[in-house]
Amino acid sequence: QKEVEQNSGPLSVPEGAIASLNCTYSDRVSQSFFWYRQYSGKSPELIMSIYSNGDKEDGRFTAQLNKASQYVSLLIRDSQPSDSATYLCAVRRSYSGAGSYQLTFGKGTKLSVIP
Amino acid sequence: GAVVSQHPSRVICKSGTSVKIECRSLDFQATTMFWYRQFPKQSLMLMATSNEGSKATYEQGVEKDKFLINHASLTLSTLTVTSAHPEDSSFYICSARDIAGGQNGELFFGEGSRLTVL
Repeated sequence: QKEVEQNSGPLSVPEGAIASLNCTYSDRVSQSFFWYRQYSGKSPELIMSIYSNGDKEDGRFTAQLNKASQYVSLLIRDSQPSDSATYLCAVRRSYSGAGSYQLTFGKGTKLSVIP
Repeated sequence: GAVVSQHPSRVICKSGTSVKIECRSLDFQATTMFWYRQFPKQSLMLMATSNEGSKATYEQGVEKDKFLINHASLTLSTLTVTSAHPEDSSFYICSARDIAGGQNGELFFGEGSRLTVL
């Protein structure tokens, strides 16, 4: 069973602080990693994608990937109340064909940014 | 980014009836679309992979005769929940990949369809 694990939270941070979200995955040969934000009752929207080890920054968001440790994280700097949502970590399967674009999702971490 | 439209966004039906949900890629072509289901406080669970012009591939435990998928064109996939029961009540979300997106092509999600079976 290929799994993606996340702490369900809730994670509460004060406005302006850094929120750190973590994710581990079990399929060692996974190649693509994604962070989605999902507001209650809405579908997920892509925040970040990362494919190689290291850090990737986009505005207030930084994704970090460590394939040796099978770990991916998302940092949100200067957290805002509007960042309050559930953050889903997703991993793309590695085999070829149409199925290689399937994503396996973690259960998500609920983030609450306190004004 | 590209737009994926789902319809209806909400549907309430009686037990035993069938419900059809449409998923359209509005500004790109998608040979493959994915159908997910999400129960409250749970993650998205892949139900099936919809392939244009061929049969869908269902995940283990998903009944293909209950969840009928048709992908007749490069921009439209439909999911029909047949003989719906209250336990089928869930949030159904489709996603599509732009065939021009390359190997790391992003998946775009529809807005989701919330099904309530009474």
